[in-house]
Amino acid sequence: GQNIDQPTEMTATEGAIVQINCTYQTSGFNGLFWYQQHAGEAPTFLSYNVLDGLEEKGRFSSFLSRSKGYSYLLLKELQMKDSASYLCAVRYPEKNSNSGYALNFGKGTSLLVTP
Amino acid sequence: GAGVSQSPSNKVTEKGKDVELRCDPISGHTALYWYRQSLGQGLEFLIYFQGNSAPDKSGLPSDRFSAERTGGSVSTLTIQRTQQEDSAVYLCASSPLAGDEQYFGPGTRLTVT
Repeated sequence: GQNIDQPTEMTATEGAIVQINCTYQTSGFNGLFWYQQHAGEAPTFLSYNVLDGLEEKGRFSSFLSRSKGYSYLLLKELQMKDSASYLCAVRYPEKNSNSGYALNFGKGTSLLVTP
Repeated sequence: GAGVSQSPSNKVTEKGKDVELRCDPISGHTALYWYRQSLGQGLEFLIYFQGNSAPDKSGLPSDRFSAERTGGSVSTLTIQRTQQEDSAVYLCASSPLAGDEQYFGPGTRLTVT
C-alpha cells in the first residue's frame, strides 16, 4: 500500500497559522495533491506539488520533500470557514497500467477553527 | 461553467437490490474517475476512464461493481446485489486530461438497509 498518513484531527484559533502534515511511501511517487472538503460537500482542489519546495497560493501554501516522503499544508490567517477536512492525495503511476492517474488518499485531517 | 454533477444525491436501497449511480463530467474532460468514501475512511479509488481506452477497473472491490461510460461523457456505476458494506458516498471526478487536477462532483450517498 501507499501508507498515506496524516493527523486525524487538529484545532486552531481564528487568525492563527496551522500546519497539516502528510507522509507517504516514496517509491513510485509522481505528484501530491491537497484537497479541502467541507462536511457533506465535494472535495475541492487546493494545491499540487511534484518538485521539492514550497508552493504558495494566497493564505495556503504546500511544501514537498520527495526524499523524505513528506508534505505539509500551511494555512495562514485562519478563518472560521477554514473548518473542514483536508485531504492529502498521492499519485503513483505504474508501468503497464493506466491506473497511474488515480489518486491515493489519506483519511483526511479534520480541522476545527475556534474563535 | 457547470461542474461535475451526480444523481441521485441520496439513495436508500434494500440489501440485495441493484443500484445505478450517474455522473455527468465537465464538458470536454477526457478523464473520469469513480471513488467511494466510507465513514472514517479515505477516498478509495474504484475505476478510471480515459478517452476511448479500456477502463482501469483495478479498484473495483468485487464483481458486483461495474461501470460504463457512454460516448466519452456520462458514466454509470452499477452495484448489483447490494450489501450493507456498500453503504458509502460515491464520488465522481473528471479532469481535462489524465494527470490534471480532478474536479469532484457532490457525490451520491448510498445507504443499504
